[in-house]
Amino acid sequence: SFELAQPPSVSVSPGQTARITCSGDALPKNYAYWYRQKSGQAPVLVIYEDNKRPSGIPERFSGSSSGTMATLTISGAQVEDEADYYCYSTDSSGNQRVFGGGTKLSVL
Amino acid sequence: QVQLVESGGGLVKPGGSLRLSCAASGFSFSDFYMSWVRQAPGKGLEWISYIASSGTSKYYADSVKGRFTISRDNPKNSMYLQMNNLRTDDTAVYYCARENDIGDFDSWGQGTLVTVSS
Repeated sequence: SFELAQPPSVSVSPGQTARITCSGDALPKNYAYWYRQKSGQAPVLVIYEDNKRPSGIPERFSGSSSGTMATLTISGAQVEDEADYYCYSTDSSGNQRVFGGGTKLSVL
Repeated sequence: QVQLVESGGGLVKPGGSLRLSCAASGFSFSDFYMSWVRQAPGKGLEWISYIASSGTSKYYADSVKGRFTISRDNPKNSMYLQMNNLRTDDTAVYYCARENDIGDFDSWGQGTLVTVSS
């Protein structure tokens, strides 16, 4: 099995740039996806295939990936961006799916 | 619109069994891969199983392999998770999720709570 590692928490002030990392040996060969989950709600996709943004997601959300690390960047974070963020990927066969442990983003 | 509704959760003793259901509507169910994802109280998301659109391919996380069985009934627009030999660490909210063709989970149910406790 493979794993994705995320920092447990990231904290920024409103208007600052928040960066959340996700590391895993499978990432050089597989896309990273990012989900946002607010308390009591189902997760929502914010980045897919490393750096693509679904419709309806603000432009301040961006993604990148290099080697074994993927990064979610929120440029000019806002208070409403406070949530848990999870990276997600698959193994090289595409059959095993894994979420990272999640990162709690605080904007205060 | 796309709707996924889980049911079947509840309180069960360790070693017991439970069957979860996921009723789908608003889309062509038989065209999509489906997954079960769970979230223990206060913990992160954990993918546990997926089933291909035809039902012929199924995969499991190591944590549930040999104890859980995923299945689907396309004419009934439903997916199931048979959970046997339940353990206390299986306590979680269980979500069903639709996988789209770019590999992400684009629709989620509201979840059903499974509590394993004596």
